[in-house]
Amino acid sequence: EDKVVQSPLSLVVHEGDTVTLNCSYEVTNFRSLLWYKQEKKAPTFLFMLTSSGIEKKSGRLSSILDKKELFSILNITATQTGDSAIYLCAAGGSSGDKLTFGTGTRLAVRP
Amino acid sequence: DSGVTQTPKHLITATGQRVTLRCSPRSGDLSVYWYQQSLDQGLQFLIQYYNGEERAKGNILERFSAQQFPDLHSELNLSSLELGDSALYFCASSPRDRAYGYTFGSGTRLTVV
Repeated sequence: EDKVVQSPLSLVVHEGDTVTLNCSYEVTNFRSLLWYKQEKKAPTFLFMLTSSGIEKKSGRLSSILDKKELFSILNITATQTGDSAIYLCAAGGSSGDKLTFGTGTRLAVRP
Repeated sequence: DSGVTQTPKHLITATGQRVTLRCSPRSGDLSVYWYQQSLDQGLQFLIQYYNGEERAKGNILERFSAQQFPDLHSELNLSSLELGDSALYFCASSPRDRAYGYTFGSGTRLTVV
């Protein structure tokens, strides 16, 4: 059965700190690793990674995938209170088109 | 607005009842996915439809069923409701029969009392 595990489960930091969120996966015929941010309701797409070692960046957020070790990290630099959210990692394989999600990392950024 | 519309936003119903959740995908998207998010649990995949046909099935209970209509909107039917069915139900859509970067609706919060 496909599995995605995220750590830590929750994190409290102060504005300006840098955080690293972890995601490991076991997915049959892995195709892609995705990161989503969930604030009040709908998860919103952040990144999709398919190749090892290629960093994707969007502003203060960046992510990288290691297909050999089966994990990904999401980095957020110079955190702001608006970064407070649940960050979800999901992996897609060949079993249909579904994504398998981790339980998320709840990030709280204090002023 | 993500372009994926879910109705209703909130639903409170009693145990044993049946409800229908509705999803209109983003314009042009052919795939619709249903996910359940319970407290302290990640998003659990229920079922996917592509252009009217069932494409993939997750751990969907027999009491639950779904369909996608010719206009591509989808409905998720939940019957014989139990307290444990209380959750956020999300619909997502994507333009192809691949899950890459699909777009979520704002969800329906179901409370079974």
